[in-house]
Amino acid sequence: GQQVMQIPQYQHVQEGEDFTTYCNSSTTLSNIQWYKQRPGGHPVFLIQLVKSGEVKKQKRLTFQFGEAKKNSSLHITATQTTDVGTYFCAGVLYNQGGKLIFGQGTELSVKP
Amino acid sequence: DGGITQSPKYLFRKEGQNVTLSCEQNLNHDAMYWYRQDPGQGLRLIYYSQIVNDFQKGDIAEGYSVSREKKESFPLTVTSAQKNPTAFYLCASTWTINQPQHFGDGTRLSIL
Repeated sequence: GQQVMQIPQYQHVQEGEDFTTYCNSSTTLSNIQWYKQRPGGHPVFLIQLVKSGEVKKQKRLTFQFGEAKKNSSLHITATQTTDVGTYFCAGVLYNQGGKLIFGQGTELSVKP
Repeated sequence: DGGITQSPKYLFRKEGQNVTLSCEQNLNHDAMYWYRQDPGQGLRLIYYSQIVNDFQKGDIAEGYSVSREKKESFPLTVTSAQKNPTAFYLCASTWTINQPQHFGDGTRLSIL
């Protein structure tokens, strides 16, 4: 079936280093959402991108949606220990009745 | 406080037994979802419902059943036909199907 691929699966960084996770779809997305799941917790919505080439910022987090609406990225500047968790992208496909298709997630660990 | 309540938090199933996971929301959301989360595989959609008395199969519906008799409630039954039920089950809700989702705290199901 349709898939949304996310890389890397794991990322270990030193506190203060930057972090980026990438999300790719083989088909055009209607929109893309990003979620964060803390260890032992549930996913929490971070942001939604709708427009081609859109860039949104939340403090140290920068989200981008590709021009072709097939890829997206999340970049964290100067990571902190509070950034630890798994980051998921979730794409909405035009031909799937609006269902979210989740990527596999990127698990971020931050060493103080 | 508005939110989604899942119960129980932990559940154990015996061989040949059906078990039901509860999901209740007081957000007045129309759409509700059930996901299964396994390590390294992200979230996979089991069933979803856009309106009371209607629901659709997701990507991995085999061995599961649902009902949507009330707007607030969307229980999931894991039947004995589901041979590998051990996973973390997450319920979510939203106003409409492609909008950001609010998740419950999840139920961890294990086999005895």
